[in-house]
Amino acid sequence: DTGVSQDPRHKITKRGQNVTFRCDPISEHNRLYWYRQTLGQGPEFLTYFQNEAQLEKSRLLSDRFSAERPKGSFSTLEIQRTEQGDSAMYLCASTIWETGELFFGEGSRLTVL
Amino acid sequence: DQQVKQNSPSLSVQEGRISILNCDYTNSMFDYFLWYKKYPAEGPTFLISISSIKDKNEDGRFTVFLNKSAKHLSLHIVPSQPGDSAVYFCAASGGGADGLTFGKGTHLIIQP
Repeated sequence: DTGVSQDPRHKITKRGQNVTFRCDPISEHNRLYWYRQTLGQGPEFLTYFQNEAQLEKSRLLSDRFSAERPKGSFSTLEIQRTEQGDSAMYLCASTIWETGELFFGEGSRLTVL
Repeated sequence: DQQVKQNSPSLSVQEGRISILNCDYTNSMFDYFLWYKKYPAEGPTFLISISSIKDKNEDGRFTVFLNKSAKHLSLHIVPSQPGDSAVYFCAASGGGADGLTFGKGTHLIIQP
């Protein structure tokens, strides 16, 4: 399977704990995006990377959120001191184009108790 | 401020009939539009797209129409099949933003 893969698929944690999600993009794609989706909403942009450089961050990304793509391949999204409002599906997508189609992974669902 | 709007949260259509999903946008700088399909517990899957220089794009049972003057696009599915039951997201790119801007989605239910 050469699609975008995300791990874990589902994470349940207690409020105040830290969580980390991993995304492995399609291998030749140099752009990697993180989105968040909550119930009844469409995916909302969080941040994106071109190779290892993080080029844009949404105002949704508070200082408790950090994303990295250290070697321009896989990426991690860490949420520190989780809050119940962080419960959502975290989607990763990759592409080779500046605009146009994004290829999404299956998502990592976070439940904060 | 929602730049991509899907005003119908849900739509029910009989199998074999045409499904029409609508989408409006406010940012005139958007230059590429896409439709994604999403099943529960899965990521969105690309369905069809259209460039702003065109007014129609067809792929099998799926056709997307773009009316730039009205800032409106629609997705037609004909004939509708049970496997088409899913949430459909309209998305746009360009407009000075990186990545895609999504609507809230329309839940399409195909009834037998």
